[in-house]
Amino acid sequence: NAGVTQTPKFQVLKTGQSMTLQCAQDMNHNSMYWYRQDPGMGLRLIYYSASEGTTDKGEVPNGYNVSRLNKREFSLRLESAAPSQTSVYFCASSEWTRGRNNEQFFGPGTRLTVL
Amino acid sequence: AQSVTQLGSHVSVSEGALVLLRCNYSSSVPPYLFWYVQYPNQGLQLLLKYTSAATLVKGINGFEAEFKKSETSFHLTKPSAHMSDAAEYFCAVTRPFGNEKLTFGTGTRLTIIP
Repeated sequence: NAGVTQTPKFQVLKTGQSMTLQCAQDMNHNSMYWYRQDPGMGLRLIYYSASEGTTDKGEVPNGYNVSRLNKREFSLRLESAAPSQTSVYFCASSEWTRGRNNEQFFGPGTRLTVL
Repeated sequence: AQSVTQLGSHVSVSEGALVLLRCNYSSSVPPYLFWYVQYPNQGLQLLLKYTSAATLVKGINGFEAEFKKSETSFHLTKPSAHMSDAAEYFCAVTRPFGNEKLTFGTGTRLTIIP
């Protein structure tokens, strides 16, 4: 099993450009998440998808959109990139069943720089 | 709402010394708690988790944490630090109902002094 995979690993954009970050998991998990990680701020949730066909805003959704393409894939789109979106982006997935904890499994991250 | 506070954004210990990373939580209901580790240029990896069973939880790489309700704490310890323990550590909290999100602390960077 590959677990959670993310593409690309690195990306440099100019202000105003758009791009999509891809995430896929092969663990048959229902829930998927997008986080951004900035120095001194830990991980902040951008969007999440509790199940296929549903998405919800997290703590910092402005400037982003997401698509839960199917159970495996959850993409994050920046329509018009801004320097404030320079960050490391992590995708995660988890499986929830009644009575079980929500351990999340993380991808390796995408380092995005917006000039 | 839940939250976690990690005291000390940077901690340095000598190789072979005790590692103690502090995490205090705030939650309106009995929480589930997690410690994750992030090695340089990698994603997060689960170290250990507390899910209302034993209050002393053992994880990978010799780490353990104790849930103390009276102190609202879940500190991470390791008796003897190894150079390979150098990483960033994150505490996280969630509620044990349904499909709840994790709330992460701001992280503690652990440096091991040879």
